[in-house]
Formats: sequence, C-alpha cells, structure tokens
Amino acid sequence: NAGVTQTPKFRILKIGQSMTLQCTQDMNHNYMYWYRQDPGMGLKLIYYSVGAGITDKGEVPNGYNVSRSTTEDFPLRLELAAPSQTSVYFCASRDAWDRGTYEQYFGPGTRLTVT
Amino acid sequence: KNQVEQSPQSLIILEGKNCTLQCNYTVSPFSNLRWYKQDTGRGPVSLTIMTFSENTKSNGRYTATLDADTKQSSLHITASQLSDSASYICVVLSGGSYIPTFGRGTSLIVHP
Repeated sequence: NAGVTQTPKFRILKIGQSMTLQCTQDMNHNYMYWYRQDPGMGLKLIYYSVGAGITDKGEVPNGYNVSRSTTEDFPLRLELAAPSQTSVYFCASRDAWDRGTYEQYFGPGTRLTVT
Repeated sequence: KNQVEQSPQSLIILEGKNCTLQCNYTVSPFSNLRWYKQDTGRGPVSLTIMTFSENTKSNGRYTATLDADTKQSSLHITASQLSDSASYICVVLSGGSYIPTFGRGTSLIVHP
C-alpha cells in the first residue's frame, strides 16, 4: 500500500496561472479531504468528498474546485492563482467503515508558491 | 463555533526530559479526540485516539489523557528523544460529523 500520494511535491506558479494538485489513495477509502496549512496555523479544510461523485465545500473553498470521479482520485484545481494561495496543501482520506477509529491518513503535501 | 486551542505554541526541551502539551476544546457534541505528530515537511500521523469513556491511553513514550468534563486533553512525552522534534496537533471530531476540528499545533524542539 502506497497510502495517500500527492503530486507535485513543489510548484511555483505565477499570478493568474492555473494548476491541478493530484491526490490518489489506494486504501479504498470513501472519504477524502483537501486541507491547506499556512505557517503557524492549523489545517483548514478546503473541500471534502464522502464518495465518488459527491463533493462539498469546507471552510476555505474560494479559488478552488474539486472533482471525484473515482474512489481513488481527488484532484484539487486552482484557477487564477493568487499570492494568498501560497501554502502547503495536504490531501487526506478516511475509511467510512473504520469501526469508530475515525483516523485520517495524510499525504506528504504539496508546497505551492504563487508569485 | 467548534474550536480547539493548544498550548504552548512552542516548546524547547533537552533530550531525555519529559514534557506535557495541552489541548482545550469547545467541540460539541464530542465524539473523539486524536493527537497527531507532524514531522517537518511531512503530513500528520496519528499517535493516539481518545473517546468519551477513556481517561488515559499510551503509545510507547506518549501518554494522552482526556477530561471530558472540563474538555481538556494533554499529551505527555516521557524521556524525550531528538526524533520527537515535530509539531503535535490536537484534533477533535464532533458526533455525526465528517469534518474534524484542528488545533494550530505545538511545535516541540528537542535539543541534545
């Protein structure tokens, strides 16, 4: 099991550019999440999904879009990148049938800089 | 609004010493509380989970406590090692929710 994988690990974008952050999990988890983590701050939820075809907004969704066409993949799309989107992005997944453990498994993160 | 507050924000200790990190929460209704360890440049990894009925749980040199009445948890690290240098994040899940509430974390640095 590779767990949760994210690509790329690092990326520098110019203001106004677009990109997609990839997230894949091989644990057959129903729930997937995208978070951003700014220096000295806690993780903030951008979007989440409870299964293929179902997505919902989190705390800070503006400027982002997601899709969930398969159980494994949950890409995050940035349109018209802004400096405020400079952050580290983490993807996570959780088994809907985890018998109450509620453990999220995190990917290694993508460090994004917008200049 | 559900909130999780952690203290101290940062902590520096010498190798071999013990330390205790604090977590206060206002999440309601309470389902469970989990401590994660996040090494620099990596994603968080779960250390332990506490449910309503549990007071203490250990994972090696890590011991978590929970007081559901006062809505407080602590993470005690015994005989610290250099590899304990990391951010420790307290995460609380509300009953019936898909979305946990994260604290900002405590940054721990262990010096030789």
